[in-house]
Amino acid sequence: DADVTQTPRNRITKTGKRIMLECSQTKGHDRMYWYRQDPGLGLRLIYYSFDVKDINKGEISDGYSVSRQAQAKFSLSLESAIPNQTALYFCATSDRIGQGGGGRGNEQFFGPGTRLTVL
Amino acid sequence: QQQVKQSPQSLIVQKGGISIINCAYENTAFDYFPWYQQFPGKGPALLIAIRPDVSEKKEGRFTISFNKSAKQFSLHIMDSQPGDSATYFCAASKVGQGGKLIFGQGTELSVKP
Repeated sequence: DADVTQTPRNRITKTGKRIMLECSQTKGHDRMYWYRQDPGLGLRLIYYSFDVKDINKGEISDGYSVSRQAQAKFSLSLESAIPNQTALYFCATSDRIGQGGGGRGNEQFFGPGTRLTVL
Repeated sequence: QQQVKQSPQSLIVQKGGISIINCAYENTAFDYFPWYQQFPGKGPALLIAIRPDVSEKKEGRFTISFNKSAKQFSLHIMDSQPGDSATYFCAASKVGQGGKLIFGQGTELSVKP
């Protein structure tokens, strides 16, 4: 019963290729996020969206773009992939602030990740 | 700039022991401090969280200790079990900024039987 799904799960591509990573959620959340995970660097925010018409850059947005096609879908694109974009990419969702239950604040729910390798 | 610094990068603990992971933050405006747990091949999941109006929060074997004056917080795992072996991330956010999380670098915990 995956609430947040990511496709593909694994992808190998070549330098210069355009690639799209897709995220879908069935949690009904307004907020969606894209992170990349690198060893020793933790999770870094690439882009985030508070609703379909509200998209914002995160701390490492250069070389990436996003599209929020619907409340449930948020895609990340690499227009011209380069080797240092090799990483594990995660999509996450959250409810509006204050609407999270059980005192868990702004809990973010993560997808299973996409492992991207750029050769 | 690394606003949340986490240590150690890796930790090996014997079964039944106490695991301690530390985080330090810079921005005094942060008002929400969660810990996420990530198993291999999975996405991170919220484990426990604390707000700065309390100094400690306990859920089962997991405890967050929070020191506002030192701008530090830590995760303690009591009676560590092999099933606790995972990567742990601390994070911080300011609720008024839409809840964007700033994550620490992660700690890979291995609990030996």
